[in-house]
Amino acid sequence: KQEVTQIPAALSVPEGENLVLNCSFTDSAIYNLQWFRQDPGKGLTSLLLIQSSQREQTSGRLNASLDKSSGRSTLYIAASQPGDSATYLCALSGYALNFGKGTSLLVTP
Amino acid sequence: EAGVTQSPTHLIKTRGQQATLRCSPISGHTSVYWYQQALGLGLQFLLWYDEGEERNRGNFPPRFSGRQFPNYSSELNVNALELEDSALYLCASSLLRERGTDTQYFGPGTRLTVL
Repeated sequence: KQEVTQIPAALSVPEGENLVLNCSFTDSAIYNLQWFRQDPGKGLTSLLLIQSSQREQTSGRLNASLDKSSGRSTLYIAASQPGDSATYLCALSGYALNFGKGTSLLVTP
Repeated sequence: EAGVTQSPTHLIKTRGQQATLRCSPISGHTSVYWYQQALGLGLQFLLWYDEGEERNRGNFPPRFSGRQFPNYSSELNVNALELEDSALYLCASSLLRERGTDTQYFGPGTRLTVL
């Protein structure tokens, strides 16, 4: 059974900092890995999708990497802003998405 | 283009009752997924429907069931509600996996409260 772990569980940083969120998984037989953002009580917004054959994806200030051999993915957020405050979830695709419990990010002005 | 929609937004039921949640996928998407997000437990996969058939289900009891209609919309039914069924229920849709894309797009969710 795929186990997905996200570290840290919570993170508080001042505005402007660059930060890294970590996701680790136990089974490298995946179709792809997705990073999502969830605002309190809301649905999920897809941020980045990395196919299993890819090593990274970039969108604006976000960069996600995937290393299947070590079972790790990182989400890098550059120049963080208060509007980035949310919970960030990584999910691995098998027959459905297998989610980590997320990292709750707070960016303070 | 309209995204995934879910109804109702909020639903309050009492223990033992039945709840019905609805989901409309993005136009052209044939797969619908249901997830449960209970407090402290993270997102758990419930059910996957594609082309009207149940393709897989997560580790949930049979009182969680659903169906997919010919227009690809879907219903999730929860019978004999228990207090621990209180959660945010999220629906997602995607193109069929074999078409090479597996991005799942999520709706805003239905908040079910069981009293």
